[in-house]
Amino acid sequence: DVKVTQSSRYLVKRTGEKVFLECVQDMDHENMFWYRQDPGLGLRLIYFSYDVKMKEKGDIPEGYSVSREKKERFSLILESASTNQTSMYLCASSSGQVETQYFGPGTRLLVL
Amino acid sequence: QKEVEQNSGPLSVPEGAIASLNCTYSDRGSQSFFWYRQYSGKSPELIMFIYSNGDKEDGRFTAQLNKASQYVSLLIRDSQPSDSATYLCAVTRGGSARQLTFGSGTQLTVLP
Repeated sequence: DVKVTQSSRYLVKRTGEKVFLECVQDMDHENMFWYRQDPGLGLRLIYFSYDVKMKEKGDIPEGYSVSREKKERFSLILESASTNQTSMYLCASSSGQVETQYFGPGTRLLVL
Repeated sequence: QKEVEQNSGPLSVPEGAIASLNCTYSDRGSQSFFWYRQYSGKSPELIMFIYSNGDKEDGRFTAQLNKASQYVSLLIRDSQPSDSATYLCAVTRGGSARQLTFGSGTQLTVLP
């Protein structure tokens, strides 16, 4: 079974703080993705990566950055958290050209 | 205009009935189509995928695809209260098959 884990289930941060969300997958998947999910808006793609050291902007990259130093690990960074970044953050991974994505449990972030 | 449209619901069906969930998409380059189930507070889990026009059955679930009409649906036969969840439709992007665009989901409630 594919296993995708995320570093925290719940986080509470203050405005202006730097926030790190980490995702690890154990299936040697090439592709990793970060989404945020908000009521009525569905899942929106923030960043993705098809290889180590590689990153591409998704649909809503503003205010975020990512890091992929190892194949199994993909980190999402909020450089200066803002209240409008309060959301559920979901990491996903997939293998090569196969499109099926497998999700981690999610991190619910509250920025005060 | 949203790229993947789903009725948000809520859709309520009695136990044992057939639940019909619908999804339309705008990207004619989309080639693969996915249905995910998401329980409240949990992350999406894959139910099934479909690539070709027609029907694909997996247990109580049937996915239907009509690329000419840009329409994909999910039928759940013999609905159970445990099927109560939000169902997300996802389609691959014409420009990059490894990326998915998600609908905002349909909330299904199966009444005992």
